[in-house]
Amino acid sequence: QTVVTQEPSLSVSPGGTVTLTCGLSSGSVSSSHYPSWFQQTPGQAPRTLIYSTNTRSSGVPDRFSGSILGNKAALTITGAQADDESDFYCVLYVGRGIWVFGGGTKLTVL
Amino acid sequence: QVQLVESGGGVVQPGRSLRLSCAASGFTFSVYGMHWVRQAPGKGLEWVAVISFDGSNIYYADSVKGRFTISRDNSKNTLYLQMSSLRTEDTAVYYCGKKAPGGVEASPDYWGQGTLVTVSS
Repeated sequence: QTVVTQEPSLSVSPGGTVTLTCGLSSGSVSSSHYPSWFQQTPGQAPRTLIYSTNTRSSGVPDRFSGSILGNKAALTITGAQADDESDFYCVLYVGRGIWVFGGGTKLTVL
Repeated sequence: QVQLVESGGGVVQPGRSLRLSCAASGFTFSVYGMHWVRQAPGKGLEWVAVISFDGSNIYYADSVKGRFTISRDNSKNTLYLQMSSLRTEDTAVYYCGKKAPGGVEASPDYWGQGTLVTVSS
């Protein structure tokens, strides 16, 4: 069974930079997994930030960027703002028509 | 603008069936694959199923395979999720998502607001 790993929680100072990662329990993440990133605040639907590793979704500011760092996918937020405080999820395409979400990262801005 | 509106959620007893709908507008529905994703109360996102633009390719998460059926009616710009043999662990908010541009590996780029399904006796 494929498990996608994310940091349970992270914190960043206002104006700071933070990197969230998305890994695989066995193996490395590559662009062939088409990693995507989503932001969700309580009671709201997810919002897509990044798809296919590094393509920003419509309307997403360029302070959100996606990449592959080492053996993981990464979402970097630069110039963090108070309203970035939310849950972030990644998803990986693991083949045979199947996607697997990570458990999510709770980001605190303080 | 892209709009996805789910409906059909509600309270249902274990073992019963329910059909969810997702009405799409603001884009050419017939050229995009679609996903269903769910979120149990207080939990993370779980991918459920995907259907290609023409319905010819369909895949399911193991947790719902054999019980859920995804389908679409391109003449009505509507996506469906037929859920049968429902279990208490199927209780969740169900979201439909439009596939991002790209190939079969594309994840959602737009989401609906979700519809709550509660399986309880």
